[in-house]
Amino acid sequence: NAGVTQTPKFRVLKTGQSMTLLCAQDMNHEYMYWYRQDPGMGLRLIHYSVGEGTTAKGEVPDGYNVSRLKKQNFLLGLESAAPSQTSVYFCASNQNRQGSPLHFGNGTRLTVT
Amino acid sequence: AQKITQTQPGMFVQEKEAVTLDCTYDTSDQSYGLFWYKQPSSGEMIFLIYQGSYDEQNATEGRYSLNFQKARKSANLVISASQLGDSAMYFCAMREGRSTGFQKLVFGTGTRLLVSP
Repeated sequence: NAGVTQTPKFRVLKTGQSMTLLCAQDMNHEYMYWYRQDPGMGLRLIHYSVGEGTTAKGEVPDGYNVSRLKKQNFLLGLESAAPSQTSVYFCASNQNRQGSPLHFGNGTRLTVT
Repeated sequence: AQKITQTQPGMFVQEKEAVTLDCTYDTSDQSYGLFWYKQPSSGEMIFLIYQGSYDEQNATEGRYSLNFQKARKSANLVISASQLGDSAMYFCAMREGRSTGFQKLVFGTGTRLLVSP
């Protein structure tokens, strides 16, 4: 089982460049999430999706956009990268069941110079 | 105000001993869920244990148990018989409100556990 797969694993961007992070899950999960992890701050929710074609803002959505055109994929886009977006990004998914835990991908380490 | 507070930045424990990692939370909701995740140095997030606010018994999963004290708003993780592989960062997280699955989690800042031989 692949679970939740994130690509790429590492990326270095220059300020102002754009990129898309891809998240794919093969567990037929309804819900998907993008978090960022910064030192000393735990994980913070960027955007989430409760189903194909639907997305919503989380705690720190500014500077990011997302799309969920297919149930298994959740894309996170940075249109104009800033050094403040240097972080580790985690995608997660879970199923439509009470108490269902989030299954996380292995993360993408992004550095913006 | 912090929703999830983990006051121990680092903890040390000897192999085979038990250790308690503290977590306090702040919510006005009656229905909520509490999770613990482990993050080893390799970086992945591993789910350990879940406690629903209406669960009468403390959750247990193998060597992990959750000491849930609702009145004190605490959800401490207890690891019994520590192993070297338990060395990792541990995060407490909370979902506020009732949910049939959707988990909009708020995470604490984590506690780094080091298990020594």
